Amino acid sequence: QIVLTQSPAIMSASPGEKVTITCSASSSVSYMHWFQQKPGTSPKLWIYSTSNLASGVPARFSGSGSGTSYSLTISRMEAEDAATYYCQQRSSYPPIFTFGSGTKLEIK
Amino acid sequence: DVQLQESGPDLVKPSQSLSLTCTVTGYSITSGYSWHWIRQFPGNKLEWMGYIHYSGSTNYNPSLKSRISITRDTSKNQFFLQLNSVTTEDTATYYCASSSYAMDYWGQGTSVTVSS
Repeated sequence: QIVLTQSPAIMSASPGEKVTITCSASSSVSYMHWFQQKPGTSPKLWIYSTSNLASGVPARFSGSGSGTSYSLTISRMEAEDAATYYCQQRSSYPPIFTFGSGTKLEIK
Repeated sequence: DVQLQESGPDLVKPSQSLSLTCTVTGYSITSGYSWHWIRQFPGNKLEWMGYIHYSGSTNYNPSLKSRISITRDTSKNQFFLQLNSVTTEDTATYYCASSSYAMDYWGQGTSVTVSS
C-alpha cells in the first residue's frame, strides 16, 4: 500500500507570501488530488488530477508533480487560505485510497 | 447538486457494531459514482474505509476487511456502514462521500465515540 508523506506538517505564512506544500509517495503514482479542510467542516476537493483546480478554487492555487513527488502552491497567501491540506491518491488494483498526513497552514 | 448526509448513533459500546447511514439526494446511487465511507481520527488523520460502486460491488480497506460491510437500499437512495467489534480506536468522525474522478461530494460528518 502506497504511503503519502506530506511536508511540512505545520507552517505559517504572511499575507502575500508564496507557499509550497509537498507530498511524497512511497511508490510512483500517476496523479494526486488535494483537499482543503477548515475546522469543523468536511474536506473539500481542492485540486484534482495533479493540476486541475476544483470549482471555485482561486487561481492563486496551483498543483504540479509526477512520479513520487507532488506539490500544492499558493502564489500569494491570503488569510482565507489558512486550513489543513491533504494529498490523496488511489492505487490502480486493488483500488485503495490513501490520504497524506496533512499540512496545517496558518496565517502570520 | 449531490448532497450526502450521515446519520447514526454518536455513542457505541466496545465490542458492539457501529452502524451508520448515508442518505443521498440529488443523484441516484445506482446511476454512477462510487460511494465511500471515510473516517477522521482525533488528531485529524484521514482513513478511507471502503466504497460501494453504483453497480453494487464493494471494495474495502484491507486493514478493515474482516470487520466492515457496506450495503445499500436503492429504494431509499441510501448506503450503509457496518463496522463490527469496535474498540476505542474506532472513535472518529465518519464521513460519506462520492467519487467520479475524485471525491468531490462529502457529507458533513458524524462524530462517533466508542466508550463503555
